[in-house]
Amino acid sequence: DQQVKQNSPSLRVQEGRISILNCDYTNSMFDYFLWYKKYPAEGPTFLISISSIKDKNEDGRFTVFLNKSAKHLSLHIVPSQPGDSAVYFCAAIDDNYGQNFVFGPGTRLSVLP
Amino acid sequence: KAGVTQTPRYLIKTRGQQVTLSCSPISGHRSVSWYQQTPGQGLQFLFEYFSETQRNKGNFPGRFSGRQFSNSRSEMNVSTLELGDSALYLCASSLGLSSSYNEQFFGPGTRLTVL
Repeated sequence: DQQVKQNSPSLRVQEGRISILNCDYTNSMFDYFLWYKKYPAEGPTFLISISSIKDKNEDGRFTVFLNKSAKHLSLHIVPSQPGDSAVYFCAAIDDNYGQNFVFGPGTRLSVLP
Repeated sequence: KAGVTQTPRYLIKTRGQQVTLSCSPISGHRSVSWYQQTPGQGLQFLFEYFSETQRNKGNFPGRFSGRQFSNSRSEMNVSTLELGDSALYLCASSLGLSSSYNEQFFGPGTRLTVL
């Protein structure tokens, strides 16, 4: 049973528009969330994170929103660029168990020029 | 369908020792990738195996090695352990190569502590 779900395997967005990647989780004990970006043949790279005490974290073109009551978080990329085309992983940590990472399966974002 | 399993979940070793970690992918998945996660850093790619062959390798020293068996199960070995090898080691499986944008499903990880 997947504790972290990314229900959209892929997403296509036009350059300059907003990309919204969604992530849902089931474990209410998760208290820290991360997004990773992964290019082909490379390891995932950390993108942005958010603690459960916040509902928004912004870093340049990337913003993560957390809705704890809905157990939902999303990553917004504005404006989207072709270089953003990659697979995006959502990950959650239950820090009570010593950083036990749980990753979603990923969403492939394609930004079309 | 059972997910990706990794054993052991926790391991404590001393410097100079060697360690072997195991990963069983989701049934039907042929690709297994290994990652190292250290505090404050993102996942760092170690290597990827597909059909018993190493297909991609990250920037890690030769002390880190791996292999894949005919049933797609994979092992990762670290020899001559150093303190800096303390990390969470994650395994991910996918139907095909990760470079083909196949979805990767991660296991829970093995937390290695080197004393």
